[in-house]
Amino acid sequence: QKEVEQDPGPLSVPEGAIVSLNCTYSNSAFQYFMWYRQYSRKGPELLMYTYSSGNKEDGRFTAQVDKSSKYISLFIRDSQPSDSATYLCAMSYGSGGSNYKLTFGKGTLLTVNP
Amino acid sequence: ETGVTQTPRHLVMGMTNKKSLKCEQHLGHNAMYWYKQSAKKPLELMFVYSLEERVENNSVPSRFSPECPNSSHLFLHLHTLQPEDSALYLCASSQDERVREKLFFGSGTQLSVL
Repeated sequence: QKEVEQDPGPLSVPEGAIVSLNCTYSNSAFQYFMWYRQYSRKGPELLMYTYSSGNKEDGRFTAQVDKSSKYISLFIRDSQPSDSATYLCAMSYGSGGSNYKLTFGKGTLLTVNP
Repeated sequence: ETGVTQTPRHLVMGMTNKKSLKCEQHLGHNAMYWYKQSAKKPLELMFVYSLEERVENNSVPSRFSPECPNSSHLFLHLHTLQPEDSALYLCASSQDERVREKLFFGSGTQLSVL
């Protein structure tokens, strides 16, 4: 089993739809959970950052972490064409140096159609 | 200039060439990173520098040689590359190498090895 699994898509939705993006993981040591957004020909940018379990909301974006199920989600409400991008989940544990581990998913390509 | 800037944006090189990728961060961060992004693969960490000192080298072939002359600049020297090295090379920075959850990425150099 891969350490982090993310469906690569592509995912295509109409404008205004609610989008759900998900990742599963196998390593229960992960403590920090992130979502990065990567536009075409750009580097990833941090979108959401969560520590441990629970929900975090920022505008139209909600990140959920369920550590018991080893499952994280990113919800986008009222999706816009400008949300079209690749979304990368990432998770980490440790305190720096060789003890630190940060693992990314492969990314899900999302297209929001006007 | 703000954020993390990478040059060149695109690079085509033969297997016998020598070239260098450049990265500069204007965020006052202490840690800098090189990542490799290949199609349908997760981001792969190559090197980590903290205050100009290399703290991590993730089994990267010696044909990739990093250099960090100061905390704002990072180079990746390339020589005798292979076609499978074609990828997007991303530079990133963070406040500290112990806090890698919040990475700031450049736009990357798209490298093609012929």
